[in-house]
Amino acid sequence: EDQVTQSPEALRLQEGESSSLNCSYTVSGLRGLFWYRQDPGKGPEFLFTLYSAGEEKEKERLKATLTKKESFLHITAPKPEDSATYLCAVVRNSGNTPLVFGKGTRLSVIA
Amino acid sequence: DVKVTQSSRYLVKRTGEKVFLECVQDMDHENMFWYRQDPGLGLRLIYFSYDVKMKEKGDIPEGYSVSREKKERFSLILESASTNQTSMYLCASSLRGVGAYSNQPQHFGDGTRLSIL
Repeated sequence: EDQVTQSPEALRLQEGESSSLNCSYTVSGLRGLFWYRQDPGKGPEFLFTLYSAGEEKEKERLKATLTKKESFLHITAPKPEDSATYLCAVVRNSGNTPLVFGKGTRLSVIA
Repeated sequence: DVKVTQSSRYLVKRTGEKVFLECVQDMDHENMFWYRQDPGLGLRLIYFSYDVKMKEKGDIPEGYSVSREKKERFSLILESASTNQTSMYLCASSLRGVGAYSNQPQHFGDGTRLSIL
């Protein structure tokens, strides 16, 4: 069964303390992986798409990387405004639905 | 920027009512999706559509139907609302892309928080 697992479930960082969020997946035929940011009471906001192992994307303090089994979202010197839930989702070749979502990592950055 | 607009941010309805949730996107996207999001369960796909008048069932279609009469608009219908349909409902859209499933990112609206009393 296709599965996407995000860890940790929750992460608390001090401002400036860099860390990484993990998204591991088992899908039959990966066609892409998306990262989203979701603020409380709002819809997910698209951050990155990664299509093949070895690919990296960067945006401000965020950097996403992809291997054949997992993706990492690296957060460098986070600020309180980076606090949010970060979701990853995998596009697959077949199955009932196009995307399989992880349950997210809830990030809190304390000043 | 992609704009996906959902008609209501908050909605309160009674059990047994027929409920309509509306979604409009302004980027000429072929694909549109309806999800619900519940604590501990994450995002679950209800229905999606690849084209006008076309629909496909997602993971949890029971108790719901959809309508897509125009490319930019995708409606979710709760035929007879029940308390277990209280949830956050999210609409998304994406370009068609290539292959069986689009590998183009989905863009989401801000959601409708629906309470069924």
